[in-house]
Amino acid sequence: GNSVTQMEGPVTLSEEAFLTINCTYTATGYPSLFWYVQYPGEGLQLLLKATKADDKGSNKGFEATYRKETTSFHLEKGSVQVSDSAVYFCALQLGSNYKLTFGKGTLLTVNP
Amino acid sequence: GAVVSQHPSWVICKSGTSVKIECRSLDFQATTMFWYRQFPKQSLMLMATSNEGSKATYEQGVEKDKFLINHASLTLSTLTVTSAHPEDSSFYICSARDRVSGELFFGEGSRLTVL
Repeated sequence: GNSVTQMEGPVTLSEEAFLTINCTYTATGYPSLFWYVQYPGEGLQLLLKATKADDKGSNKGFEATYRKETTSFHLEKGSVQVSDSAVYFCALQLGSNYKLTFGKGTLLTVNP
Repeated sequence: GAVVSQHPSWVICKSGTSVKIECRSLDFQATTMFWYRQFPKQSLMLMATSNEGSKATYEQGVEKDKFLINHASLTLSTLTVTSAHPEDSSFYICSARDRVSGELFFGEGSRLTVL
C-alpha cells in the first residue's frame, strides 16, 4: 500500500536557523507529493507541491524537491522565523480521486 | 483564500449518544468532501469520501453504520457518529474540493470527547 514516513518531532529551532524535515514515501504508482502546514487553531493549508520527479515546489521560503530515486520529498527552509511554528504534514496522492495519504506530522517550534 | 468551516470545533458527549459534525465550504461549491480522523501523534486517516447527491465511499475498516455521512448540498457535508463510545474520541477533519478550481481546502477540525 501507500505510506508516508516523516521525521518525528518535535523540532525546536532558534530564529534564522536552517530547517530540514525529512519525508519519504512508498507508493504503488507515481504519486504527486505535498507539504501541508497547520498553524495553531487553523485547518491544514497547502504549503507546496510537486507532481513529477525532479520538480521543486516552493512557497514562503520553503522548498522541497521530488526525488524519485530516493522516494523522498524533504522540506527545507534556509532561515526560519517564529511565525513558521506549526505542524507540517507530508502527503502523497495517487490517481485522480484526490485522496491523500498523510505522514504523522512534525511539530516545529521556532524560538526568538 | 477559500474557507472550510467545521462545527462544532469541539464537543463532549455521553457514551451512547450520537453527535453530528458539519463541514461547510463558505465561498465555493464542493462536489467532493473528505472526512479524516486523527489520533494523537498519528497521521490523518481517511475515513470516507463524501459525494454530493450520492452515497459516501468508505475506506476499508470504517463502519458506515457507525459513521453516517450525508452530503445533501454542494456546500455542506455532515458526519454523524452514532452511539458514540470513548474509543470514538478523536479529532475529525474534513476537506472540500472546489468544483471549479479542483483545489482542496481543509477545515479546522472538530475534537470529539466521549465520556
